[in-house]
Amino acid sequence: GIQVEQSPPDLILQEGANSTLRCNFSDSVNNLQWFHQNPWGQLINLFYIPSGTKQNGRLSATTVATERYSLLYISSSQTTDSGVYFCAVTNAGNNRKLIWGLGTSLAVNP
Amino acid sequence: SAVISQKPSRDICQRGTSLTIQCQVDSQVTMMFWYRQQPGQSLTLIATANQGSEATYESGFVIDKFPISRPNLTFSTLTVSNMSPEDSSIYLCSFTTGAGQPQHFGDGTRLSIL
Repeated sequence: GIQVEQSPPDLILQEGANSTLRCNFSDSVNNLQWFHQNPWGQLINLFYIPSGTKQNGRLSATTVATERYSLLYISSSQTTDSGVYFCAVTNAGNNRKLIWGLGTSLAVNP
Repeated sequence: SAVISQKPSRDICQRGTSLTIQCQVDSQVTMMFWYRQQPGQSLTLIATANQGSEATYESGFVIDKFPISRPNLTFSTLTVSNMSPEDSSIYLCSFTTGAGQPQHFGDGTRLSIL
């Protein structure tokens, strides 16, 4: 089945810094989502981005489907950005089942 | 878009007991799912909740341990039965409106078993 790999596994930033998180996937996808899980366990849907580029405030994401990767950009990071960022995909083989990466754990220090 | 709510948000239970988690969506949705997230891990799909029929379970999960109901297109429950400390996890429900569409998640239930 499709494999999802995220990098880096851990990241520590000073407030105000920028960062790029990467998600590689091993097969074609028809759905790719980025999530932020905050320290209280809530899973926030950041982007639905099977292809192309989207922006939402300080966050933006780009998926290059032909090269099987997606990037999540965080600019001017804030302490509230801390948590775990997950990438999850579905592919044509199973349109309903989300396949998850292991996540990137981000800590933003004041 | 539809809003999904889940309760309880957290609970502490004694081993050997059972707990039922409820998930409510404010509009009819095609598919609902239940996930488990063990400490420090990613999410694992337990089952797809099918309206009016038995849930479809993933490998490693069985109906006797995780019975699921979905009586209509807006509501589902997951029961964690005969709990042991290994069941201490976050349990999350989600929905999607169709194949290839984004999934939206409830706030999760943080379960601790003593």
